[in-house]
Amino acid sequence: AQSVTQPDIHITVSEGASLELRCNYSYGATPYLFWYVQSPGQGLQLLLKYFSGDTLVQGIKGFEAEFKRSQSSFNLRKPSVHWSDAAEYFCAVLRGSGNTGKLIFGQGTTLQVKP
Amino acid sequence: DAGVTQSPTHLIKTRGQQVTLRCSPKSGHDTVSWYQQALGQGPQFIFQYYEEEERQRGNFPDRFSGHQFPNYSSELNVNALLLGDSALYLCASSLERRGSYNEQFFGPGTRLTVL
Repeated sequence: AQSVTQPDIHITVSEGASLELRCNYSYGATPYLFWYVQSPGQGLQLLLKYFSGDTLVQGIKGFEAEFKRSQSSFNLRKPSVHWSDAAEYFCAVLRGSGNTGKLIFGQGTTLQVKP
Repeated sequence: DAGVTQSPTHLIKTRGQQVTLRCSPKSGHDTVSWYQQALGQGPQFIFQYYEEEERQRGNFPDRFSGHQFPNYSSELNVNALLLGDSALYLCASSLERRGSYNEQFFGPGTRLTVL
């Protein structure tokens, strides 16, 4: 069965430092992969997605992610974290075809930013 | 352009009661998916509605049911509430386009507490 694992439940970084959030997936074919962010009281906002092609994808708010098939990973990165990036981050994989697919989410990583 | 809206924002019920949550999709969208997000967990897919029918269902008991109206809005009903049903319920909408991925836009959620 498809699954998504986010090994880090909680991460703390200093403002201005770089960030990498890990995501591993299990899926037989080329997956559709996503990163979402959830701030308190807010719904999920899509940061970026990977379907095919260039394995390094750019998203909103200065985030990027790299798809590595050999490692079954889709890690999220940001070169310099801002205090406003503190939130919950979810990696997800699409199960099923595009128009009927459902998202399978990881457990999430809580990002805390120190001033 | 209004995004996905959900009502109510918060709800408190007691065990055994029934609850109805409501969702209005983003303007122009015709497909609604519901997710349950327990505290400290990633969202889990409940079901998806398209053309007023349940098109796909996750691993949830029959106590969870839904409906989609001609204006594409949707309701999630949960009967015989259990303490374990306490969660944030997220609604996501998308526009059906066959043969391609249909990005899901999430609402802010309804926080259900079962006492």
